[in-house]
Amino acid sequence: GDSVTQMEGPVTLSEEAFLTINCTYTATGYPSLFWYVQYPGEGLQLLLKATKADDKGSNKGFEATYRKETTSFHLEKGSVQVSDSAVYFCALSYNNNDMRFGAGTRLTVKP
Amino acid sequence: NAGVMQNPRHLVRRRGQEARLRCSPMKGHSHVYWYRQLPEEGLKFMVYLQKENIIDESGMPKERFSAEFPKEGPSILRIQQVVRGDSAAYFCASSPGRDSYNEQFFGPGTRLTVL
Repeated sequence: GDSVTQMEGPVTLSEEAFLTINCTYTATGYPSLFWYVQYPGEGLQLLLKATKADDKGSNKGFEATYRKETTSFHLEKGSVQVSDSAVYFCALSYNNNDMRFGAGTRLTVKP
Repeated sequence: NAGVMQNPRHLVRRRGQEARLRCSPMKGHSHVYWYRQLPEEGLKFMVYLQKENIIDESGMPKERFSAEFPKEGPSILRIQQVVRGDSAAYFCASSPGRDSYNEQFFGPGTRLTVL
């Protein structure tokens, strides 16, 4: 079935470092792709999304491009901050609203 | 416009007791989803409901778990005769419908601890 695979964490970076969190997907069709962020003790918040191939989602300095040829949706940020420390989830969804999440990648940014 | 609300935020139960988790969707949203997050794992889909209807319960355990979304009031996830393995964070999400980009808005979760 359809699924999402994320790079395993935890990821620890220094402030202002470049961030990449890999996400690949397996799908029978053409889903929408999402990145959600979960801060400690909170629910998930939508970070960015892309609905078709070659779309780029962006928000708060984070970017991800929907790559059909490599079935990927890698999350990137040029310069991370301590406040970016959280767990990041890649997800896919079709119109049936059944959202499939990756296992999550914990990011810790140190001053 | 209030977001998705869940209560209680923390729930402690002893083995064999019942747990009831409540979810009030965002105003104007008629679609509710429940997910379970085990420690250090991602979210796993459990059930998708519309008002008075269960649309997809493919992720629900076959026994002890049930969900409803009545015409009036919040959605309820009910776990009977809880066991230690039910300890997890349970998240509810809502969306306005099946069209558009399927964005789901998540509540803060209920953290269930079974002693």
